[in-house]
Amino acid sequence: EVQLVESGGGLVQPGGSLRLSCAASGFTFSNYWMHWVRQAPGKGLVWVSRINGDGIFTNYTDSVKGRFTISRDNAKNTLYLRMNSLRVEDTAVYFCAREQNSGYSNWGQGTLVTVSS
Amino acid sequence: DIVMTQSPDSLAVPLGERATINCKSSQSVLYSTDNKNYLTWYQQKPGQPPKLLIYWASTRESGVPDRFSGSGSGTDFTLTISSLQAEDVAVYYCQQYYRTPRTFGQGTKVEIK
Repeated sequence: EVQLVESGGGLVQPGGSLRLSCAASGFTFSNYWMHWVRQAPGKGLVWVSRINGDGIFTNYTDSVKGRFTISRDNAKNTLYLRMNSLRVEDTAVYFCAREQNSGYSNWGQGTLVTVSS
Repeated sequence: DIVMTQSPDSLAVPLGERATINCKSSQSVLYSTDNKNYLTWYQQKPGQPPKLLIYWASTRESGVPDRFSGSGSGTDFTLTISSLQAEDVAVYYCQQYYRTPRTFGQGTKVEIK
């Protein structure tokens, strides 16, 4: 069974940093593009970033470029999102998702990041 | 960026009736190399992550009931629930997979009338 489990969320002050993790199991992790998608409270889905199977290719939405870094450790079957210079508007539930068939076939339950003073 | 616009923002449909959600992209998401539309549909229930329903605009994900169907090409797409069930109450999102950033529509909330 495919499982994605996020962790690392929490309360952080504006300008602070967090690292999110997404532990994957039930599939060959290194074969798949992985993505981060976020959802502010009561709002819609926003794509954040993606990374290819071997970690060489990455993309980001404009609002996080230069502040967030996506990475992966295929030996540990884990996806990461390093978030620096956090802003109030980064407050959201962050989901990791596996790309398959041109869609996200599997999602984690999400981890809440709250940026507030 | 490709802007995805869904309509309506919400709709209420009697049980057993048809629900139709539209999604329009600001540019074509039809990839000429494989003649596939890079458009997906998701369902999200409260407190849950989204669930993939439809990919390539009209291909149903494994396990998705056949009352859900997707259609359209280029810039205009539709998700149809042929006979609304109580468990279909949710917010539905379209997303383009044509290029990054992988933009979503704003969502359509479906309720029972």
